[in-house]
Amino acid sequence: GAVVSQHPSRVICKSGTSVKIECRSLDFQATTMFWYRQFPKQSLMLMATSNEGSKATYEQGVEKDKFLINHASLTLSTLTVTSAHPEDSSFYICSARAGGAANYGYTFGSGTRLTVV
Amino acid sequence: AQRVTQPEKLLSVFKGAPVELKCNYSYSGSPELFWYVQYSRQRLQLLLRHISRESIKGFTADLNKGETSFHLKKPFAQEEDSAMYYCALIYADGGGSQGNLIFGKGTKLSVKP
Repeated sequence: GAVVSQHPSRVICKSGTSVKIECRSLDFQATTMFWYRQFPKQSLMLMATSNEGSKATYEQGVEKDKFLINHASLTLSTLTVTSAHPEDSSFYICSARAGGAANYGYTFGSGTRLTVV
Repeated sequence: AQRVTQPEKLLSVFKGAPVELKCNYSYSGSPELFWYVQYSRQRLQLLLRHISRESIKGFTADLNKGETSFHLKKPFAQEEDSAMYYCALIYADGGGSQGNLIFGKGTKLSVKP
């Protein structure tokens, strides 16, 4: 079945540095990818939607200059947290949907735990 | 290892029929479970969480620790319930974090008129 690989699973970085998170669809082409953020003990919050080859659509309140999303190919999307601060510490999850038939659902990555110190 | 299993990829029922979406989990700790719904071309939405024991849009889910299940039920399905449903589990990863979220593969519910 469809598999989405998200890397790294855990990262610790210093305040002020940038961190890149990768999301890859391993056996299908993902025309659309979503990036979510989960605050502790809370539900997911959608940050942005990206379509291959075009600019990402950010949700209200999400800083697009801080959370850079690139979806340059049908199998890879990246989220870069720029100039990270401790309040950016969170769990980030991507999900991907294959193009084509409406029966395709969304597959989720395993998530990335970001800790900014 | 922690895991969420949704055995049915597709579930098709007629309008007015009862529906049960199955979810089983594997986790050695105390689970915190959720059901999410995603309507066609829309974002994922939280449907309900077991802690709140609430009923949303007529759906309920009871945590059964003995059977390690958290099945989603609705007595009378409506056409607008057609969507993808994901069961999810929060687990503590032992690294001092307050919990990561993992998802089952989802079940597509199709309610026919």
